[in-house]
Amino acid sequence: KQEVTQIPAALSVPEGENLVLNCSFTDSAIYNLQWFRQDPGKGLTSLLLIQSSQREQTSGRLNASLDKSSGRSTLYIAASQPGDSATYLCAVRLNTNAGKSTFGDGTTLTVKP
Amino acid sequence: DTAVSQTPKYLVTQMGNDKSIKCEQNLGHDTMYWYKQDSKKFLKIMFSYNNKELIINETVPNRFSPKSPDKAHLNLHINSLELGDSAVYFCASSQGLAHGEQYFGPGTRLTVT
Repeated sequence: KQEVTQIPAALSVPEGENLVLNCSFTDSAIYNLQWFRQDPGKGLTSLLLIQSSQREQTSGRLNASLDKSSGRSTLYIAASQPGDSATYLCAVRLNTNAGKSTFGDGTTLTVKP
Repeated sequence: DTAVSQTPKYLVTQMGNDKSIKCEQNLGHDTMYWYKQDSKKFLKIMFSYNNKELIINETVPNRFSPKSPDKAHLNLHINSLELGDSAVYFCASSQGLAHGEQYFGPGTRLTVT
């Protein structure tokens, strides 16, 4: 059974800092890993998708890496802004069980002005 | 244009009632999903459909019955609602069962009183 863990559960940083969010998973037989953000009371917004054959993906100030062998992914946010405040979720899709997604519990990020 | 839409956004009902939530995607995807996010914000898959065929059916009470009239729609009907059904229900879609990026709807907040 795939288990996905996100550390830390919450993070508070001053504006402008670079930060790293962590996602670890127990079963490395994955198709891909996707990072989302969720604002309070809203749906999930896709940030980055990394296929199992890839090592990293970048979009603007965001960079996500994937190390399948160690079961880890990181989301790097450069020059954080108050608008980055949200909960960040990672989801891992298995290459068995019809590509079922397993989500982590999320990291709640607060960026203080 | 909204990619994945759900109706209603809020649903308040009494125990024992039957209710439905509708989902539509205009992305041309062939796979759709229902997820449940509980009060602790944990997100878990309930069902997935690929080309109108049920692929994933997690351990969900049979009071929950999904229906996919076509590839663009996936509805969720819930019979005999219970207090524990209160949650936010998210619809999502992707192209393909496993490789594609998942796109989420805005969610339906169901409150059972």
